[in-house]
Amino acid sequence: EVQLLESGGGLVQPGESLRLSCVASGFTFRHYAMTWVRQAPGKGLEWVSHISGTGTDMEYADSVKGRFTVSRDNSKNTLSLQMNSLGVEDTAVYYCAKGWRSFELDSWGRGTMVNVTS
Amino acid sequence: QSVLTQPPSVSGAPGQRVTISCTGSSSNFGSSLNAHWYQQLPGAAPKLLIYDNTERPSGVPDRFSGSKSGTSASLAISGLQPEDEAVYYCHSFDVRLGSPIFGGGTTVTVL
Repeated sequence: EVQLLESGGGLVQPGESLRLSCVASGFTFRHYAMTWVRQAPGKGLEWVSHISGTGTDMEYADSVKGRFTVSRDNSKNTLSLQMNSLGVEDTAVYYCAKGWRSFELDSWGRGTMVNVTS
Repeated sequence: QSVLTQPPSVSGAPGQRVTISCTGSSSNFGSSLNAHWYQQLPGAAPKLLIYDNTERPSGVPDRFSGSKSGTSASLAISGLQPEDEAVYYCHSFDVRLGSPIFGGGTTVTVL
């Protein structure tokens, strides 16, 4: 059974940083691209970033480009999202999901909440 | 404003059939990109419901079906049940934007 478990969310002030992690199990992690999707309170889903299985190809939404960095450690089955210069508009539940680009996201974690407030 | 347009809400009585539309454009569905659908129950993470326009993952009841034609896709729920109350999102890829895209979500209410 595929399991994705996010962590690292919390309450931060504008301008601060956070690093999210997603630990995967139940599948051969290095074979699959991974995606971050976020959902602001009461809003819809927004694609944030994705990374190839090898970790060599990454893409970002314009809203986070230059501030967020996605990475992965295939030896630890872990996906990460380094978030810098956080703003109130980044407040959301962040989900990691298995899949990327035009393909379906076939498994999702439960999400981790990021709250940016002064 | 989402690139994929969904109605904010649909409703139906138990046992009825409801459909949710997802309207795209020439740069997504019209470019032969597939539609995927997710169900998000209250307080839960999204769950894949339909992929590649019409395919159901293992475990998804056959009451759920998908279709795509031209620049639009649709999700149908037949034999509506109370546990189907959720928000449903469509998802694809846009070649002009060069990124994945989601619809704004449709809340299904069982009357």
